Amino acid sequence: QVQLVQSGADVREPGASVKISCRPSGYTFTDSFIQWMRQAPGQGLEWMGWINPDAGGTKYAEKFKGRVTMTRDTSIKTVFLELSGLTSGDTAVYYCARGMPFMAEFDLWGQGTLVTVSS
Amino acid sequence: QSVLTQPPSASATPGQTVTISCSATTFDIGNGWVHWYQHLSGRAPKLLIYRDHNRPSGVPERFSGSKSDTSASLAISGLQAEDEAIYYCAVWDDTLFGAVVFGGGTKVTV
Repeated sequence: QVQLVQSGADVREPGASVKISCRPSGYTFTDSFIQWMRQAPGQGLEWMGWINPDAGGTKYAEKFKGRVTMTRDTSIKTVFLELSGLTSGDTAVYYCARGMPFMAEFDLWGQGTLVTVSS
Repeated sequence: QSVLTQPPSASATPGQTVTISCSATTFDIGNGWVHWYQHLSGRAPKLLIYRDHNRPSGVPERFSGSKSDTSASLAISGLQAEDEAIYYCAVWDDTLFGAVVFGGGTKVTV
């Protein structure tokens, strides 16, 4: 079954970091870029950036540069999103999705991971 | 930051047609592809229309996309209760730094 499976919900304190995983299955891990989006409560979708699971190259949205790191571990066929310096404004559902670079076409989405930032 | 403008809401009765617009304020939407997503409450977004007017396998024909030089549109004909969702348009904007831009979303009420 072709799918993206994300890690479970997480609660973090302000100032902390969070690391979310996304594990593709049903297709070749290195064939497709993985992109990350988020949706804060009552807000729309917001793009965060992408990672090439093959070479590891990344592109981050300007808003998140300096706070976001996308990595991959080819041995376990998993990609990761790490966001540091968390504030309440980072409370959101985070989604990974399959999609080629320089395009807004995402044909496969993970189930979403709720990150709550609260003291 | 580039902006894609959508109406915040739209409504129609079952069987009717609803049309959602998506216009760009800082770049020429006619230059690139527009994609549409359906976001049902509590679910992951789903690709509904890709590259202006194409439907992925499994998407009913009553969903259609179109685009002019200045705006894009999503039409849902024969509206059904299960179509109640938020719909987003999205583009790749290669001005300035390059980024995926989503419209603000349109809540469709049936």
